[in-house]
Amino acid sequence: GAGVSQSPSNKVTEKGKDVELRCDPISGHTALYWYRQRLGQGLEFLIYFQGNSAPDKSGLPSDRFSAERTGESVSTLTIQRTQQEDSAVYLCASSLVRLLTYNEQFFGPGTRLTVL
Amino acid sequence: GENVEQHPSTLSVQEGDSAVIKCTYSDSASNYFPWYKQELGKRPQLIIDIRSNVGEKKDQRIAVTLNKTAKHFSLHITETQPEDSAVYFCAASKPWGGKLIFGQGTELSVKP
Repeated sequence: GAGVSQSPSNKVTEKGKDVELRCDPISGHTALYWYRQRLGQGLEFLIYFQGNSAPDKSGLPSDRFSAERTGESVSTLTIQRTQQEDSAVYLCASSLVRLLTYNEQFFGPGTRLTVL
Repeated sequence: GENVEQHPSTLSVQEGDSAVIKCTYSDSASNYFPWYKQELGKRPQLIIDIRSNVGEKKDQRIAVTLNKTAKHFSLHITETQPEDSAVYFCAASKPWGGKLIFGQGTELSVKP
């Protein structure tokens, strides 16, 4: 079946503008995650949605970052008033979370954000 | 807070040699430890994972070991091939679908 998809694949914006990044998880996956990967670095957790539970926002770096998810489908990550340090690849992942199973996460191709 | 340390940051081996990458985690509640391979410009792909109820797992040329007492786990790749060249990330998470905490990555280069 289809994997995790993200759009756009690339986004160039000017400092101070708002951007919206989209993630379509694998159908039926209840959990959705956003990570950020700066050039040459590891993945930093941003936010996690699981079903109807309150999202885990503990990784969001500032109040300029927010995310929404509609039910168990699409999610959007919004960055307001972008700064140059926001330049990175933003990766989305999804997983099927069930009792007594584990957390294999499948990643999308990412959105490369460049803030000029 | 939660942290995963990964070493080495770069590793260069000759084709056919073995490669070992080590990670240490801080949160003793972690019970799931995946390894991802990321080729240049591509998405991370899961290559192997281990749960806390086992100490070792093998899949062809790759194996992972886990020492819960010491809170460290390792990836072993035997008979390395040039196509193994990539960045490898370890990660740790707690039960029930929690976030993954990633190490900083190891850039593996396999020279023919």
